[in-house]
Amino acid sequence: TQLLEQSPQFLSIQEGENLTVYCNSSSVFSSLQWYRQEPGEGPVLLVTVVTGGEVKKLKRLTFQFGDARKDSSLHITAAQPGDTGLYLCAPVKTSYDKVIFGPGTSLSVIP
Amino acid sequence: SAVISQKPSRDICQRGTSLTIQCQVDSQVTMMFWYRQQPGQSLTLIATANQGSEATYESGFVIDKFPISRPNLTFSTLTVSNMSPEDSSIYLCSVDRGRNTGELFFGEGSRLTVL
Repeated sequence: TQLLEQSPQFLSIQEGENLTVYCNSSSVFSSLQWYRQEPGEGPVLLVTVVTGGEVKKLKRLTFQFGDARKDSSLHITAAQPGDTGLYLCAPVKTSYDKVIFGPGTSLSVIP
Repeated sequence: SAVISQKPSRDICQRGTSLTIQCQVDSQVTMMFWYRQQPGQSLTLIATANQGSEATYESGFVIDKFPISRPNLTFSTLTVSNMSPEDSSIYLCSVDRGRNTGELFFGEGSRLTVL
């Protein structure tokens, strides 16, 4: 079983600040997904990263996949209260596989 | 995106009773997943439910406590049996649309409080 770690566990910042959260694995990811769960909702997929060294941008969010495909980071520029939520990473499931999520980073952006 | 409806959205139950959570999907899906999320924590997979076969439970979860039904390709239920306060959690239904993207779609969850 692939063990996932996410850091930090909790993060509280002021609106406008930048932040980075991390996802690390004990073994190589074939590919990785980041989800965001807003309060009272189910998680929603943000991005899938596939290639080692890959960088993907989604507006103010920048996702990076490590060269060795054992780690990933999510950087948010100029955080807004709407970014508040639980950020989860998970290996991408294959057709008949299951998805085990990392422990998550709970982000609170204070206006 | 998939439309996934869960019922009830929340409930308050007495210790020792059982509650059945329903999950309805707007299209046919092969795999459905049930997760539990305790306050402030990540999602823990309870079981995988495929139509026409017995659910596959993860370590720490048993069929007697969390019986699951999957009568067709658009519907599943999870029962939390003989509840105790430790069962207070959010229970989430999730599906894979089978488009080889690996993306999971989630219902809004059922928030259960056991007194």
